[in-house]
Amino acid sequence: KNEVEQSPQNLTAQEGEFITINCSYSVGISALHWLQQHPGGGIVSLFMLSSGKKKHGRLIATINIQEKHSSLHITASHPRDSAVYICAVSSSNSGYALNFGKGTSLLVTP
Amino acid sequence: GAVVSQHPSRVICKSGTSVKIECRSLDFQATTMFWYRQFPKKSLMLMATSNEGSKATYEQGVEKDKFLINHASLTLSTLTVTSAHPEDSSFYICSARSPGVETQYFGPGTRLLVL
Repeated sequence: KNEVEQSPQNLTAQEGEFITINCSYSVGISALHWLQQHPGGGIVSLFMLSSGKKKHGRLIATINIQEKHSSLHITASHPRDSAVYICAVSSSNSGYALNFGKGTSLLVTP
Repeated sequence: GAVVSQHPSRVICKSGTSVKIECRSLDFQATTMFWYRQFPKKSLMLMATSNEGSKATYEQGVEKDKFLINHASLTLSTLTVTSAHPEDSSFYICSARSPGVETQYFGPGTRLLVL
């Protein structure tokens, strides 16, 4: 069983919809990361959080440390949001290397 | 945010040749760089952790003699795939972290195809 589980694996939404991607982890962490991977492979770090909630534009990330669960929300989704969203965790035990989930492939249609 | 470059972005080589991939932090000093690999339709996997001035730490199943990592300066780490074979074809991506900061900045990645 993977230490980082994401759901759903694939997601199709219509433009304007509110989107939620979930991530659960089973190991001790110092931080959880949400990443965005574009079709060419490039990766952008969206959020790094260890507690509570962070917001950047239309993106919101939350984490519940007790439940070992995080969610990434996209409000007013747009076709340009189409990408793979990856949850990853890091800890000092592993030198802060990232342990990745399998990713959620999001397609937002006009 | 901080910028990490990676070169080359794409390489095609014949089986048996060696390929060197460079990862540079352009505007900060990276005491730690990570090398990851992603096979098609698979998740990213850590290959090795590279610390400036010391030997890299490899993950289980990654051959250190095949994937040579050098981190000779605070802004440059190199990954050399020696005697590449078709099964080494993959997307290789590095990330860099500055001391005291947990955030990682990713390079754009290198797509390797071994014929």
